[in-house]
Amino acid sequence: GENVEQHPSTLSVQEGDSAVIKCTYSDSASNYFPWYKQELGKGPQLIIDIRSNVGEKKDQRIAVTLNKTAKHFSLHITETQPEDSAVYFCAASRGDYKLSFGAGTTVTVRA
Amino acid sequence: GAVVSQHPSWVICKSGTSVKIECRSLDFQATTMFWYRQFPKQSLMLMATSNEGSKATYEQGVEKDKFLINHASLTLSTLTVTSAHPEDSSFYICSAPHRQGGEKLFFGSGTQLSVL
Repeated sequence: GENVEQHPSTLSVQEGDSAVIKCTYSDSASNYFPWYKQELGKGPQLIIDIRSNVGEKKDQRIAVTLNKTAKHFSLHITETQPEDSAVYFCAASRGDYKLSFGAGTTVTVRA
Repeated sequence: GAVVSQHPSWVICKSGTSVKIECRSLDFQATTMFWYRQFPKQSLMLMATSNEGSKATYEQGVEKDKFLINHASLTLSTLTVTSAHPEDSSFYICSAPHRQGGEKLFFGSGTQLSVL
């Protein structure tokens, strides 16, 4: 099955700086790569996603890049704010909605 | 995004009892829903796929008799944890796909189950 590795496990950044989280996947048939933000005691919230026919996607301060050849994708958060503090998960799917999740990255934005 | 409602948000029960968790898609139909389990500070693990009008399909290692799934309508799936034991204590989260902005998967708010 699909194996998704996510790094780093924790990330502390100064407010206003950028945060980058990287994920790799093993299944070359995976074609959908969403990113979720999870706050304590809540369900994951979809923040951005990318499909295999696109190399980059941006939504305001958040961007995701995908390198199909290398089988890795990354989340970039610019101008971080305290409310960006949360656990972020990457995931991969073959398009059947069965998501394989990374281990998660705890992001702390220092004021 | 599309709203998936999950109830209850938390439940405490005695060992040996059964607990039912509901997952509803609001304002959209979902012929398929997914149930995940999450232990503290860990990732989400897919437990089963709930299919409207047919049997659920379970991931390897998940006991179907322990985790009963019923998808009786296009907007409701239920997960029943039968004869719960302390090791079943976990955060259970449902999800449903929606075509808003392309096919995307939206999650409910989760249910924290504590078995005493």
